[in-house]
Amino acid sequence: DTGVSQNPRHKITKRGQNVTFRCDPISEHNRLYWYRQTLGQGPEFLTYFQNEAQLEKSRLLSDRFSAERPKGSFSTLEIQRTEQGDSAMYLCASSPGTGWTGELFFGEGSRLTVL
Amino acid sequence: DQQVKQNSPSLSVQEGRISILNCDYTNSMFDYFLWYKKYPAEGPTFLISISSIKDKNEDGRFTVFLNKSAKHLSLHIVPSQPGDSAVYFCAASEGGSEKLVFGKGTKLTVNP
Repeated sequence: DTGVSQNPRHKITKRGQNVTFRCDPISEHNRLYWYRQTLGQGPEFLTYFQNEAQLEKSRLLSDRFSAERPKGSFSTLEIQRTEQGDSAMYLCASSPGTGWTGELFFGEGSRLTVL
Repeated sequence: DQQVKQNSPSLSVQEGRISILNCDYTNSMFDYFLWYKKYPAEGPTFLISISSIKDKNEDGRFTVFLNKSAKHLSLHIVPSQPGDSAVYFCAASEGGSEKLVFGKGTKLTVNP
């Protein structure tokens, strides 16, 4: 499978716990994006990497959220001290480095449930 | 503040007929518009896009129309097929930003 891979697919946690999601983009893509989707809403932009550099970050990404892409390949999204409002589908996407077409290749998402 | 609005949560059409999905936007700085399709338990997939310098873009059965003065775009699917049943998201970006702003989506059901 050469698509975008996200793990875990579903995470249930208690309020106050930390969670980490991993995204493996399509291998030749140097751009990587994180979006969040809550029920009945469209995806909301969280952050974007070009290689290992985090180039844009939404104000939605509070201090409890941190994303990394240390070697320009896979990325992790960590949420500290989870709150019930963090329950959502976290979507990762990647795109090639050649120009901006808006065509993002999304993974299947990691669903977070905070009890 | 919803910058991209899809006011119809759902749409139902008969197979073979035209499906028209609508999208309005409020940010006049948006200059690139896209449609994504999403099946249950899958991530969204890119469908078609249009730059603000154009008013129409066509790809097979899918055509996107852009009316900049009305800040409105629409996606036409002709003829509609049952496999087109999915949630369709309108998205926009501005000034070369790689941040996409999505609408809430419209669930299309194509009945055989």
